[in-house]
Amino acid sequence: AQRVTQPEKLLSVFKGAPVELKCNYSYSGSPELFWYVQYSRQRLQLLLRHISRESIKGFTADLNKGETSFHLKKPFAQEEDSAMYYCALLGSNTGKLIFGQGTTLQVKP
Amino acid sequence: GAVVSQHPSRVICKSGTSVKIECRSLDFQATTMFWYRQFPKQSLMLMATSNEGSKATYEQGVEKDKFLINHASLTLSTLTVTSAHPEDSSFYICSARGGTGGYEQYFGPGTRLTVT
Repeated sequence: AQRVTQPEKLLSVFKGAPVELKCNYSYSGSPELFWYVQYSRQRLQLLLRHISRESIKGFTADLNKGETSFHLKKPFAQEEDSAMYYCALLGSNTGKLIFGQGTTLQVKP
Repeated sequence: GAVVSQHPSRVICKSGTSVKIECRSLDFQATTMFWYRQFPKQSLMLMATSNEGSKATYEQGVEKDKFLINHASLTLSTLTVTSAHPEDSSFYICSARGGTGGYEQYFGPGTRLTVT
């Protein structure tokens, strides 16, 4: 079965601390994985995708096929990073996104 | 970038009535649109996938007669909640795929439905 798991509902850190939001997936084959972010009262927007290997707003995510993980990391959290973060997997042959449960990141001053 | 709008942003209706939510792709042609439901502080649950000019494909457990989806053009899909009940109160989000993004989905701002 294709599944995305985000084990933490809430992650609370202080400004300047490193952040790692965990994401594990279940998929046979080569997955296409994404991180989406939803700021308060705003729409869901794409943060980054694994195939781009890019860094957006200081965030990076590396696909680890051995551990079936796609954790989102940032070395120094900022208050404006506070938001809901969703890891998502593109379903094979369907084009549907399978979302994890989401993790609320709270960055305290 | 690609923009998706939803209308209305917020709607309150009485039990038993129907309400229609529109999803539009403003600057690209959306070959596929998706409808999601989101409960407070929870994940997005895919309800259905609609392709322009064909019937929507509903996810397991979603009543197609209750949630009517019409994707009449490449820029418009509508979700009609028929005979609404208080348990249908939720945040409904659409997304659209097409244009330059390939597989990328662009999300609308959502519609808050409250059934009294």
